[in-house]
Amino acid sequence: NAGVTQTPKFQVLKTGQSMTLQCAQDMNHEYMSWYRQDPGMGLRLIHYSVGAGITDQGEVPNGYNVSRSTTEDFPLRLLSAAPSQTSVYFCASRSGRSYEQYFGPGTRLTVT
Amino acid sequence: AQSVTQPDIHITVSEGASLELRCNYSYGATPYLFWYVQSPGQGLQLLLKYFSGDTLVQGIKGFEAEFKRSQSSFNLRKPSVHWSDAAEYFCAVVTFGNNNDMRFGAGTRLTVKP
Repeated sequence: NAGVTQTPKFQVLKTGQSMTLQCAQDMNHEYMSWYRQDPGMGLRLIHYSVGAGITDQGEVPNGYNVSRSTTEDFPLRLLSAAPSQTSVYFCASRSGRSYEQYFGPGTRLTVT
Repeated sequence: AQSVTQPDIHITVSEGASLELRCNYSYGATPYLFWYVQSPGQGLQLLLKYFSGDTLVQGIKGFEAEFKRSQSSFNLRKPSVHWSDAAEYFCAVVTFGNNNDMRFGAGTRLTVKP
């Protein structure tokens, strides 16, 4: 049981490039979320999904897209990276019966 | 506005001393409350949670937290800190019926002196 996995661990992008951060969970959780962590700001919710085919925006969605075609996977897409998107990104999941979230190890993204 | 406040950005304690990390929230209803710990370069690990019932909750690694409705607080405590407790600690809240909107405080970084 791997829990929540994220790839890559580290990534450097140039401004304007696109990329996808991968997230997968093997706990059959309905809910999945993406957060970004910036110094002094805690974690902020980017997008979330309450099940396959259903996504919604969080607190800071601009510049990011998501989709949820399967229960297991919830990729985060940056269409045109900007330096303001330099951050650590965490994926999380939880079951529908509990508000306790399980977090992945994070992806550290630098946009130059 | 709804918010989660951790007033202390950085706390330093000596090994063996007691610890209290503060968390205050501003929500209309009693939220679900959580404390997470993040070691350097790692993801977040749940220490404890409060949904209802006994207002003093026990967690892993010897931590406990007390929910005080009158003060809108959920402070984290440990009677005797170990060097391995050095990490960043986040308080988080979820409001009932708000799907997946877990809001986090800014975090408190704990340094443990030998």
